[in-house]
Amino acid sequence: DQQVKQNSPSLSVQEGRISILNCDYTNSMFDYFLWYKKYPAEGPTFLISISSIKDKNEDGRFTVFLNKSAKHLSLHIVPSQPGDSAVYFCAASAPGANNLFFGTGTRLTVIP
Amino acid sequence: EPEVTQTPSHQVTQMGQEVILRCVPISNHLYFYWYRQILGQKVEFLVSFYNNEISEKSEIFDDQFSVERPDGSNFTLKIRSTKLEDSAMYFCASSLGTSAYNEQFFGPGTRLTVL
Repeated sequence: DQQVKQNSPSLSVQEGRISILNCDYTNSMFDYFLWYKKYPAEGPTFLISISSIKDKNEDGRFTVFLNKSAKHLSLHIVPSQPGDSAVYFCAASAPGANNLFFGTGTRLTVIP
Repeated sequence: EPEVTQTPSHQVTQMGQEVILRCVPISNHLYFYWYRQILGQKVEFLVSFYNNEISEKSEIFDDQFSVERPDGSNFTLKIRSTKLEDSAMYFCASSLGTSAYNEQFFGPGTRLTVL
């Protein structure tokens, strides 16, 4: 039962270019979406989030876009840096719930 | 910067044995969580805990699992009789508030290997 899907297991991007990571969800009750970044041997680290009342949220080099009608969100990183190389997880939650539903992650490699 | 810590980093056990995974959440946080990630799969929610009781649990969190906050700092996950399929990375997380609008801070994880 994959309510949150990340269909690209990996992505390689040249330093300085834009990285676009995609995420789809099936549960229309989800109202809050998050992106976490994970380095090896570390736990997921919160990166950026977006509420369903918005369609865009920006924080420095990171922008998350939400398309509710398509049940799709994306994370844009620009410009990409080698230190951005990590696994990126998309997560979602429903109203009143504490638990997060995670995707399977996308491994981003930024090539210097 | 405050962080969630977990011990041990790696636990190896025999099938049928009991294991206790330990976590120290961020000190002023009120909500605590356990997630697990089986190798190559997604991170899955197990349980959330607030005010010394379970507030939510998933289907995975069956009778062989239990959680406890034995003192003011530790938060533990006990698996009573481990199975091979319990092998996974177990992440503890904590948050200040109750909803997902409050960022959950994750620990580095404990890798559990059941032989």
